Amino acid sequence: AQSVAQPEDQVNVAEGNPLTVKCTYSVSGNPYLFWYVQYPNRGLQFLLKYITGDNLVKGSYGFEAEFNKSQTSFHLKKPSALVSDSALYFCAVGLSNSGYALNFGKGTSLLVTP
Amino acid sequence: DGGITQSPKYLFRKEGQNVTLSCEQNLNHDAMYWYRQDPGQGLRLIYYSQIVNDFQKGDIAEGYSVSREKKESFPLTVTSAQKNPTAFYLCASSLDRGSYNEQFFGPGTRLTVL
Repeated sequence: AQSVAQPEDQVNVAEGNPLTVKCTYSVSGNPYLFWYVQYPNRGLQFLLKYITGDNLVKGSYGFEAEFNKSQTSFHLKKPSALVSDSALYFCAVGLSNSGYALNFGKGTSLLVTP
Repeated sequence: DGGITQSPKYLFRKEGQNVTLSCEQNLNHDAMYWYRQDPGQGLRLIYYSQIVNDFQKGDIAEGYSVSREKKESFPLTVTSAQKNPTAFYLCASSLDRGSYNEQFFGPGTRLTVL
């Protein structure tokens, strides 16, 4: 089964520091990986995706993610965190056998403190 | 939330009632999806549709039904057979079937059973 895991329920970072939100995947074949962000009581917003190509993927709002095949990871990163980055972050894997729906991780709550 | 609307924003249901959640998109997307979000569990796929007049069950379809009579509309009915329907429901769409395009999400409907 295609799945992702987010090992941290919450990540706390001081404003201005780099942030990392972790995601590992388990797939058969080539992985198609996504990151989304959710603000309270809102829908999800797309940040970035990895389909193929460069292992470092750049996305919206200054976020990037590094695909690491040997470690089966797709961690989300940002060089300098903002208080406004505080939100719920979801990693997801694409499911070719379900109409290209997404299988989501449980989410990681990011709190950036001033 | 780009071009996808969901209504109502909040919905209260008495036990034994069927309720219908609306999802409309003006993005001319072929594929549409319904997810259910519960705290600490991420998002789970209820139904998906890749084309008008066709839809498929996702992981947790029991107690739900959908229709796709128009390209822009994908309503979800929560029936009385769904034993624990209190949750946040998210509708999404993507450009076309058969590829890993990013999904665009609506703002969600929060359903509460009284």
